[in-house]
Amino acid sequence: NAGVTQTPKFQVLKTGQSMTLQCAQDMNHEYMSWYRQDPGMGLRLIHYSVGAGITDQGEVPNGYNVSRSTTEDFPLRLLSAAPSQTSVYFCASSAGVPGNTIYFGEGSWLTVV
Amino acid sequence: TQLLEQSPQFLSIQEGENLTVYCNSSSVFSSLQWYRQEPGEGPVLLVTVVTGGEVKKLKRLTFQFGDARKDSSLHITAAQPGDTGLYLCAGFLSGGYNKLIFGAGTRLAVHP
Repeated sequence: NAGVTQTPKFQVLKTGQSMTLQCAQDMNHEYMSWYRQDPGMGLRLIHYSVGAGITDQGEVPNGYNVSRSTTEDFPLRLLSAAPSQTSVYFCASSAGVPGNTIYFGEGSWLTVV
Repeated sequence: TQLLEQSPQFLSIQEGENLTVYCNSSSVFSSLQWYRQEPGEGPVLLVTVVTGGEVKKLKRLTFQFGDARKDSSLHITAAQPGDTGLYLCAGFLSGGYNKLIFGAGTRLAVHP
């Protein structure tokens, strides 16, 4: 069972570079989201989507773009990487109803130098 | 300022002790969840509480949702080294059910 798959697992970027973190799920979940996790701050919601073609901002959306062209995929784009975006990024998916189990990927470690 | 305040931030105890972790907010949540996260992995759901005053038990773990649905607690009885990890509370705000908001987490270390 693949569940939620994130790639890459590790990435080093230079300031100003752009990149895309990939997220795919094989559970036919409508709801997908991206979080970043920083020491002492828990997980903070970046963007989320309640279905293909629908996205919305979370708590910390600045500097990130998302799109949802298919149910399975929800890529996160860093437009011009900054050192403040050094973090661990988690993608998550669920059936979309509050209280349903939310499944997380294993995380992507991003360092911006 | 975190919408969900967790306390304590760190907890180091001996095997066999009891402990309680708190999750507090001034906002009302339609449901609240507790997760456990191991190093290098994503969070894993432990429980979801939905009704004010609800109590759920998962072996030695007891979860409670406050009557006003603004707070929750996690109590572990007779902690074991295998309980070591990062415990996170997270909630869906009433009226904003698509946004799952997390607390900062409680890092628990249980020593043999």
